[in-house]
Amino acid sequence: EVQLVESGGGLVKPGGSLRLSCAASGFTFSHYSMNWVRQAPGKGLEWVSSISSSSNFIYYADSVKGRFTISRDNAKNSLYLQMDSLRAEDTAVYYCARGQYSGSYYGVSWGQGTLVTVSS
Amino acid sequence: EIVLTQSPGTLSLSPGERATLSCRASQSVTSSYLAWFQQKPGQAPRLLIYDASTRATAIPDRFSGSGSGTDFTLTISRLEPEDFAVYYCQQYGSSPFTFGPGTKVDIK
Repeated sequence: EVQLVESGGGLVKPGGSLRLSCAASGFTFSHYSMNWVRQAPGKGLEWVSSISSSSNFIYYADSVKGRFTISRDNAKNSLYLQMDSLRAEDTAVYYCARGQYSGSYYGVSWGQGTLVTVSS
Repeated sequence: EIVLTQSPGTLSLSPGERATLSCRASQSVTSSYLAWFQQKPGQAPRLLIYDASTRATAIPDRFSGSGSGTDFTLTISRLEPEDFAVYYCQQYGSSPFTFGPGTKVDIK
């Protein structure tokens, strides 16, 4: 069974940093692209970033480009999102989602999300 | 950036009725790389349809997707009680891989 478990969320002040992690199990992690999608309280889904299976291709939403960095460690079956220069508008539940195959960027399987709150 | 517009914003229907949801793109979606998701309150999204018309694993056949270019449709042939939720489309043909704002299907 595919399992994705996000961690690392919490309360952070504007301008601060957080690193989110997503632990994957139940599939061969190195074969699949991975994605981060967020959802602000009471709002819709917003795609944040995607990474191909071997990290050759990385994509970011304009709203986070230059502030967030996606990465993965295939040996540890883990996906990461380093978030710097955080703003109030980054407050959201952050989901990690597995792609259909190596270069697909829609979420087939999703974690339950981790809440990031940016507030002073 | 491809902007996706979903209509209607809210669809009020009764169980057993047919639901037709629209997703329009501001420019053509490459290779019909469009997905549909269902989300219920407090839950993560669930993939329903990918590549515009392919049902994901274990999705009932009352859900169907169609369309190409800039116009896409999700149809639920006969609404079951568990289908009342918010539905999102997402294009993944070109970065940024944008989502639409969602259509809420609620009980009339």
